[in-house]
Amino acid sequence: AQKVTQAQTEISVVEKEDVTLDCVYETRDTTYYLFWYKQPPSGELVFLIRRNSFDEQNEISGRYSWNFQKSTSSFNFTITASQVVDSAVYFCALSEARMDSSYKLIFGSGTRLLVRP
Amino acid sequence: GAVVSQHPSWVICKSGTSVKIECRSLDFQATTMFWYRQFPKQSLMLMATSNEGSKATYEQGVEKDKFLINHASLTLSTLTVTSAHPEDSSFYICSASVTRYHNEQFFGPGTRLTVL
Repeated sequence: AQKVTQAQTEISVVEKEDVTLDCVYETRDTTYYLFWYKQPPSGELVFLIRRNSFDEQNEISGRYSWNFQKSTSSFNFTITASQVVDSAVYFCALSEARMDSSYKLIFGSGTRLLVRP
Repeated sequence: GAVVSQHPSWVICKSGTSVKIECRSLDFQATTMFWYRQFPKQSLMLMATSNEGSKATYEQGVEKDKFLINHASLTLSTLTVTSAHPEDSSFYICSASVTRYHNEQFFGPGTRLTVL
């Protein structure tokens, strides 16, 4: 069965430190998508990235970077030079293809990141 | 583009009453809409999937008679929590997807339901 594991429940860092959030997934699909979302205290999910299973190139967007390793079924997320505004819960998610061609998202349990000034 | 709204953003009701939550895709027509529930400090759990004009598909363990979903048009889906009880208090989030965006889901801002 599809599964997403975010082993880190909570991480606390001091501003300007780098931090990596881990995500490990399990799937039998050959084609799938992986996502990261940020959920600030307001509750609204903020889309960060989508990665398709055929594209293993790492991606960088400003202070954010993602490392996709198919061999270890991991899709880790690194924030460089963290800021207080990065404090939020971060969810990793995996898409699961269904019979009707729609996709279902399987979410990890989330990692709560606290960046202290 | 790809904006999804939810109304209301929060609601407080008495036990036994029914509450309706609306989810709208504002600038696109959604092929499919999804309803999630999130309890405090927990992850999002998919409750049901709905396609316009057809019955919703509920996830295992979700009571379809309690959580009524109506997907009347390509831009509107509603979730009605019938005879709400305190244990139904949660954060309800909808999302909408469209085929041309490779089925990517666009999330609404969520509705916080408190049942007294």
